[in-house]
Amino acid sequence: EVQLLESGGGLVQPGGSLRLSCAASGFTFSLYALSWVRQAPGKGLEWVSDISGSGDTTYYADSVKGRFTISRDNTKNTLFLQMNSLRAEDTAVYYCAKRISTWLVSDPLNVWGQGTMVTVSS
Amino acid sequence: QSALTQPASVSGSPGQSITISCTGTSSDVGGYNSVSWYQQHPGKAPKLMIYDVSNRPSGVSNRFSGSKSGNTASLTISGLQAEDEADYYCYSYTSSSTGVFGGGTKLTVL
Repeated sequence: EVQLLESGGGLVQPGGSLRLSCAASGFTFSLYALSWVRQAPGKGLEWVSDISGSGDTTYYADSVKGRFTISRDNTKNTLFLQMNSLRAEDTAVYYCAKRISTWLVSDPLNVWGQGTMVTVSS
Repeated sequence: QSALTQPASVSGSPGQSITISCTGTSSDVGGYNSVSWYQQHPGKAPKLMIYDVSNRPSGVSNRFSGSKSGNTASLTISGLQAEDEADYYCYSYTSSSTGVFGGGTKLTVL
């Protein structure tokens, strides 16, 4: 069974940092582009970032560019999101998701994790 | 990148059909066939329902269908059932190599 399991969420002060992880199983990890999508409390979905299967190509939403870094470890089947300079507006459930093939951003997301909550507050 | 425009809410009775629209621009919805639709029940992760405008993943009911005309994509649900009550989001690739979701539509089955 294809599964994604996020971890690393929690409470952090404005200006702080947090690193999210997403452990994958049930598929050949390095063959697929992966994404982070977030959802603020009571709000809609927001695309955050994509990374290619090899990890050499990344894309970011303008709202996080320069503050967030997506990466992956294909030897450990794990996706990461390093979040720096956090703001109150970054408060959200963060989902990792798998693209249906190797194409970043344009392909649909056919597998989603259950999400991890990040709260930015003093 | 502004969110795609969806109606905040739609409703229908069991057995009826409803359509949810998703309006963007020529730089996203109108420029690419990379439009997908997601269903989200409260407290749950989103689920892919339609991809590449009108394709259904394996396991998704054929009561769900998608289409596109110009800068507007649409999701139609026929034969409404109680379990269809959920939030629905459209998504599109953009000319900036980014992704953008719609604001979401709450479907109520009366």
